[in-house]
Amino acid sequence: DTEVTQTPKHLVMGMTNKKSLKCEQHMGHRAMYWYKQKAKKPPELMFVYSYEKLSINESVPSRFSPECPNSSLLNLHLHALQPEDSALYLCASSQGETGYFIGYTFGSGTRLTVV
Amino acid sequence: EDKVVQSPLSLVVHEGDTVTLNCSYEVTNFRSLLWYKQEKKAPTFLFMLTSSGIEKKSGRLSSILDKKELFSILNITATQTGDSAIYLCAVGRSSGDKLTFGTGTRLAVRP
Repeated sequence: DTEVTQTPKHLVMGMTNKKSLKCEQHMGHRAMYWYKQKAKKPPELMFVYSYEKLSINESVPSRFSPECPNSSLLNLHLHALQPEDSALYLCASSQGETGYFIGYTFGSGTRLTVV
Repeated sequence: EDKVVQSPLSLVVHEGDTVTLNCSYEVTNFRSLLWYKQEKKAPTFLFMLTSSGIEKKSGRLSSILDKKELFSILNITATQTGDSAIYLCAVGRSSGDKLTFGTGTRLAVRP
């Protein structure tokens, strides 16, 4: 299995809703990432988990809450979002072994619309 | 702060043309430069470059890195309509696996 699977593919939520994005990989990768991508912009890093511990939080608002229940799963919990949070949310994984980086494998993304 | 600049921002060519996409970077403790192709959804990996002057090639695509001048180019020969996409350049540091992405080049190949 050489894929990163993200669900759902599309999500429309109101500003008072609580929802979660899910990401799963079975490649034995130990680093997992959440990126946010607005239209016509590059992906921007949100969070990095390394060996199931949060290692980077790029000053993301608290209405986004990441969780890594185990080495294969990564969640992003959403609460009280704003319309400007509408974007493509990409999950990625990499080997995570020190000194051995061969790039990311990206999931297909969740297109989120906040109404 | 790490910086990745791609040019041109967009490009329209006809099938069969050859294109060169540029990526320049400023990053502390550079380790690698990666090229990705993004169509509708997830970026797909093309190349990773770590050493200067060594060309990586895959079919009609090739890429090379110049660590002295801090840039890379991605060449596509005999372009096809299926090459239409956004091409992203990203750089990674020697510590950690964080990638910083450039703004991308939007390539449109017309029949």
